Amino acid sequence: SQKIEQNSEALNIQEGKTATLTCNYTNYSPAYLQWYRQDPGRGPVFLLLIRENEKEKRKERLKVTFDTTLKQSLFHITASQPADSATYLCALHTGGFKTIFGAGTRLFVKA
Amino acid sequence: ETGVTQTPRHLVMGMTNKKSLKCEQHLGHNAMYWYKQSAKKPLELMFVYSLEERVENNSVPSRFSPECPNSSHLFLHLHTLQPEDSALYLCASSQGSMGEKLFFGSGTQLSVL
Repeated sequence: SQKIEQNSEALNIQEGKTATLTCNYTNYSPAYLQWYRQDPGRGPVFLLLIRENEKEKRKERLKVTFDTTLKQSLFHITASQPADSATYLCALHTGGFKTIFGAGTRLFVKA
Repeated sequence: ETGVTQTPRHLVMGMTNKKSLKCEQHLGHNAMYWYKQSAKKPLELMFVYSLEERVENNSVPSRFSPECPNSSHLFLHLHTLQPEDSALYLCASSQGSMGEKLFFGSGTQLSVL
């Protein structure tokens, strides 16, 4: 079965630094991969989508890479701010309407 | 109202009760989803409706019964639930045929006593 892993349960960084979150998957070749942000007690919010034929995607301070050979995506937040503190979810398209999610990485940005 | 709205936000029910969760999307999307999020676990896909037709049923127990009367509304009917069904139930919608860019509601936090 498809398996999706996010590198760590929690990540602590200092304000102004770059946060790097990792998503690894096995047993599938997804057409695209997505990243979402979730705050406590709220639903996830879509951030970025990257397709299998794209290496990198950027949006403001966010950057996503997608390596289909390594079966890995990296999610970067540059010049991080305390307001970036949240849980970040990696999501893999597995066919049709099915999207499976990783357990998430909780990011804490200290002022 | 914009986006995806879910009611109620919180629900406490006994194992013998019957209740319903409601979801409404104001985005003109053609697909709607139910996801379950248990503590410290990934989101689990439960059901998907596309153009009011159920297209995915992810081996969900029959005590959960979805209903999609039109493309803007989605319900999840609950009966004889178990304590392990306590979780955050999230509704989402998307435009297009491949589940891209899901827009989620804030969820219903369900506690089964």
